[in-house]
Amino acid sequence: LAKTTQPISMDSYEGQEVNITCSHNNIATNDYITWYQQFPSQGPRFIIQGYKTKVTNEVASLFIPADRKSSTLSLPRVSLSDTAVYYCLVGDHNFNKFYFGSGTKLNVKP
Amino acid sequence: DAGVIQSPRHEVTEMGQEVTLRCKPISGHDYLFWYRQTMMRGLELLIYFNNNVPIDDSGMPEDRFSAKMPNASFSTLKIQPSEPRDSAVYFCASSRTASLKREAFFGQGTRLTVV
Repeated sequence: LAKTTQPISMDSYEGQEVNITCSHNNIATNDYITWYQQFPSQGPRFIIQGYKTKVTNEVASLFIPADRKSSTLSLPRVSLSDTAVYYCLVGDHNFNKFYFGSGTKLNVKP
Repeated sequence: DAGVIQSPRHEVTEMGQEVTLRCKPISGHDYLFWYRQTMMRGLELLIYFNNNVPIDDSGMPEDRFSAKMPNASFSTLKIQPSEPRDSAVYFCASSRTASLKREAFFGQGTRLTVV
């Protein structure tokens, strides 16, 4: 089971780009990297998933270096509503080990 | 689809009482997960089912906890007897094997308070 390490918290201001990095040194060949977002009083919500290089969707971008031992979630021009906890998960397409780590609490200030 | 539906949204019970939490997964999903979230321990995977069969219950804290999935559209998590340390938000989530994404859809959660 690949363990993930993320910063406990981050602060940002509205309009800035936010990059949250996750370390996963023991990532396996079949593992994908998945990020979830959780707002207060809600369940987590899928944001983005990738295997290598770069993935972009309407919400975020995910950058994965060649060695895949880390990944960076990039949120462009954050707003107050992006204040949430962001979780990095590593695992294969099976759900056998679908574990959430401690997450990164992002606080966006006006 | 209405998404994953959990009931009740809030539950307050006295120590020693039996508590039953309910979950209706998204139609067509073959995986169902139960999580517990607290400030101290974060999100913990308690148990998950595949095609109504429990696959891994190693996260269930004690014998006081039990989960069932009698059919594809319904699951329960029961705590008997309940204790104050069981107070937490309990989430149910579902997903489907056919999806290439490790995307689980979470319900709104049940906030359990045991006094």
